[in-house]
Amino acid sequence: GQNIDQPTEMTATEGAIVQINCTYQTSGFNGLFWYQQHAGEAPTFLSYNVLDGLEEKGRFSSFLSRSKGYSYLLLKEPQMKDSASYLCAVREDSSYKLIFGSGTRLLVRP
Amino acid sequence: GAVVSQHPSRVICKSGTSVKIECRSLDFQATTMFWYRQFPKKSLMLMATSNEGSKATYEQGVEKDKFLINHASLTLSTLTVTSAHPEDSSFYICSALDRSRVNEQFFGPGTRLTVL
Repeated sequence: GQNIDQPTEMTATEGAIVQINCTYQTSGFNGLFWYQQHAGEAPTFLSYNVLDGLEEKGRFSSFLSRSKGYSYLLLKEPQMKDSASYLCAVREDSSYKLIFGSGTRLLVRP
Repeated sequence: GAVVSQHPSRVICKSGTSVKIECRSLDFQATTMFWYRQFPKKSLMLMATSNEGSKATYEQGVEKDKFLINHASLTLSTLTVTSAHPEDSSFYICSALDRSRVNEQFFGPGTRLTVL
């Protein structure tokens, strides 16, 4: 079966580092994605990992451990505009379809 | 970045009517598009994979006769919600796959469907 878990909600203080975790159990693995979604809007792509290790992209970084079925999204110097839902998604195979986790609602406070 | 549009952005209809939602890739050809449904404060649930020139592939539990998908061209996929009922009210989002950039799936802005 497929299972992708994320914390439901998190809060962060402006300027601090926030880490959002994602664990997954899927029948296959062909990449892990992180998306940001503001309420009522479409998800926007943040990062992609297919090999173990850290991928850095501006204020966002994403880490993957395939052996542990684990990823995290790291946000440096969060700002109030970063308050949104963060979605972890796994691509299981070559069909390119994504299986999404339940999403983490992040609230950044001043 | 690649742009995907959806039309309409919002639709309100009476129970029993059918609603068509369009998904277009504006600056690339998309042989594959995906349709998702999202309920309030929930994540995206994949409904079906739309393939240009062939039948859509539906996820388990999604009624193909209720959610008709047509992918007649390389830039357009349509989702028709037939005989809509209040429980079909949701946020419908499409995404398009640019095969030259397969590690970035591009999402449309979504369509808010409310069935009265």
